[in-house]
Amino acid sequence: DVKVTQSSRYLVKRTGEKVFLECVQDMDHENMFWYRQDPGLGLRLIYFSYDVKMKEKGDIPEGYSVSREKKERFSLILESASTNQTSMYLCASRAGGSDYIEQFFGPGTRLTVL
Amino acid sequence: AQSVSQHNHHVILSEAASLELGCNYSYGGTVNLFWYVQYPGQHLQLLLKYFSGDPLVKGIKGFEAEFIKSKFSFNLRKPSVQWSDTAEYFCAVNAYNAGNMLTFGGGTRLMVKP
Repeated sequence: DVKVTQSSRYLVKRTGEKVFLECVQDMDHENMFWYRQDPGLGLRLIYFSYDVKMKEKGDIPEGYSVSREKKERFSLILESASTNQTSMYLCASRAGGSDYIEQFFGPGTRLTVL
Repeated sequence: AQSVSQHNHHVILSEAASLELGCNYSYGGTVNLFWYVQYPGQHLQLLLKYFSGDPLVKGIKGFEAEFIKSKFSFNLRKPSVQWSDTAEYFCAVNAYNAGNMLTFGGGTRLMVKP
């Protein structure tokens, strides 16, 4: 079974703090993704990575950056957290290849910015 | 860019009632279609998927969905819901030229009353 883990289930931070959200997958997947989930908006893609040190912006990258130094780990960074970044953050991974293959999701991190 | 609409944000049903959740997308080319489910406190998981072939696809737990290309729709159905189907349901689309990307609908919260 694919396992995608996220470092925290719940996180509370103050405005202006630098926030790190960590995601680790154990299936040697090439592709990793960060989404945020908000009521009524579904999941929106923030960033994704298709290889180590490679990253691409998703639909809502503003205010976020990412890091992928190792294949199994994909970090989401909020350089200066703001209240509008209060949300549920989901990490996902999938194997590489030209055909579409299922994404596997982590449990999510619920971030509150005060 | 493609978009996905789920018209019902909240649905409340009694046990044994029939379920149909609507999903429409806005891409004219070849698509892969998915329904994901998120049970309370659990990971997002794949319910069913359509890549090609028979437009009526069957998933886990008695769910099925029908792809109607002319209507750009992929509605989810279940003949008789159970209390354990209480969850949030997300429709997602991968456009053929979008590589790894999934676009999600806003989600539908289903509550099944015992």
